[in-house]
Amino acid sequence: AQTVTQSQPEMSVQEAETVTLSCTYDTSESDYYLFWYKQPPSRQMILVIRQEAYKQQNATENRFSVNFQKAAKSFSLKISDSQLGDAAMYFCAYDFGNEKLTFGTGTRLTIIP
Amino acid sequence: DGGITQSPKYLFRKEGQNVTLSCEQNLNHDAMYWYRQDPGQGLRLIYYSQIVNDFQKGDIAEGYSVSREKKESFPLTVTSAQKNPTAFYLCASSIATGGNQPQHFGDGTRLSIL
Repeated sequence: AQTVTQSQPEMSVQEAETVTLSCTYDTSESDYYLFWYKQPPSRQMILVIRQEAYKQQNATENRFSVNFQKAAKSFSLKISDSQLGDAAMYFCAYDFGNEKLTFGTGTRLTIIP
Repeated sequence: DGGITQSPKYLFRKEGQNVTLSCEQNLNHDAMYWYRQDPGQGLRLIYYSQIVNDFQKGDIAEGYSVSREKKESFPLTVTSAQKNPTAFYLCASSIATGGNQPQHFGDGTRLSIL
């Protein structure tokens, strides 16, 4: 079965610093989509960034960027200039083209003022 | 503003009772999804629907039922057969199924057992 692993249950970072959240996955597919979702205390899931596996260029959205290593099956999220509003649960997710997302167990990010 | 509305925000179920969670979207999306979230776990797919009058089971469909009579609505019924229903339930929608169409989520419903 295809799986998604987030090995860091909790992370913390000083405000204005940079933090990297890890995600690895297991798949035999060659074409798929990768996502990072943010879940703040309000519990709504918010799409942060998306990566298409066939694209070699890493996706970037303002302060958020990914390091996608296809051969290593790794998909980490880097948050630069961390802000208090970045505090949330972050979920890595995959769509293997079978019409559904598979989520990791999440990383709780705390921002230290 | 377009979005997904889930109601109620909190719901309590008595033993042996069926309850229905509402999910409405005005995004004109074809695909809709129901997820369950438990503490320490990611989201798990219960059911999804690609189009009106059609739906498929996800990974944990037992004890749940859905309908898709209208494009905008995808209600989830938690039946008495679901022995551990206490969880946070999230509804999502996308233009179509497939990873090139990201999913948009509602605010969720928290279900508890009385």
